[in-house]
Amino acid sequence: EAGVAQSPRYKIIEKRQSVAFWCNPISGHATLYWYQQILGQGPKLLIQFQNNGVVDDSQLPKDRFSAERLKGVDSTLKIQPAKLEDSAVYLCASSFSSSEAFFGQGTRLTVV
Amino acid sequence: GIQVEQSPPDLILQEGANSTLRCNFSDSVNNLQWFHQNPWGQLINLFYIPSGTKQNGRLSATTVATERYSLLYISSSQTTDSGVYFCAVVLGGYNKLIFGAGTRLAVHP
Repeated sequence: EAGVAQSPRYKIIEKRQSVAFWCNPISGHATLYWYQQILGQGPKLLIQFQNNGVVDDSQLPKDRFSAERLKGVDSTLKIQPAKLEDSAVYLCASSFSSSEAFFGQGTRLTVV
Repeated sequence: GIQVEQSPPDLILQEGANSTLRCNFSDSVNNLQWFHQNPWGQLINLFYIPSGTKQNGRLSATTVATERYSLLYISSSQTTDSGVYFCAVVLGGYNKLIFGAGTRLAVHP
């Protein structure tokens, strides 16, 4: 069974530029999560989708971050404009109904 | 919101030693997961354990939901066990997954 796929693996951008990350969950998984992990900290939930609907985005900085999950399958997370403090690893995870979540390898973003 | 606290924050072991990592949570949860984050940043699933005890090789986990804690046991540690161990609680109707701050483990030969 293929795992959660994320791209790109690494991205370096200048502050005020925009960036997008892509996630393809495990086939059949209705729940998709995006997390931000700053160095030395635990992952922080940014947004959670159930199929193509948002069920939690309480910690998403909506002035600069946006996410969508069209057709309830893959998802994109966008940052526009990026700030230095957005440097982090962005992790995508998926789960089937109420079962355990599985994570992709993450995208390491550096904002300079 | 719920608080998820892990202890100790850092742990240094000699190869072959045993250790216990703890995860306390402040409210009722649907389930609990333990992960190992390897040096390349990948989160590896270890246990999915709402209550009781599970074992997988040298690792085992126990969750006592009524007392709001979970323990991860590592026996005969190896250098490959190094990394960060996270617990994450599952809560709410949509199974929100909330992480603790992690325990950083270094196993020396």
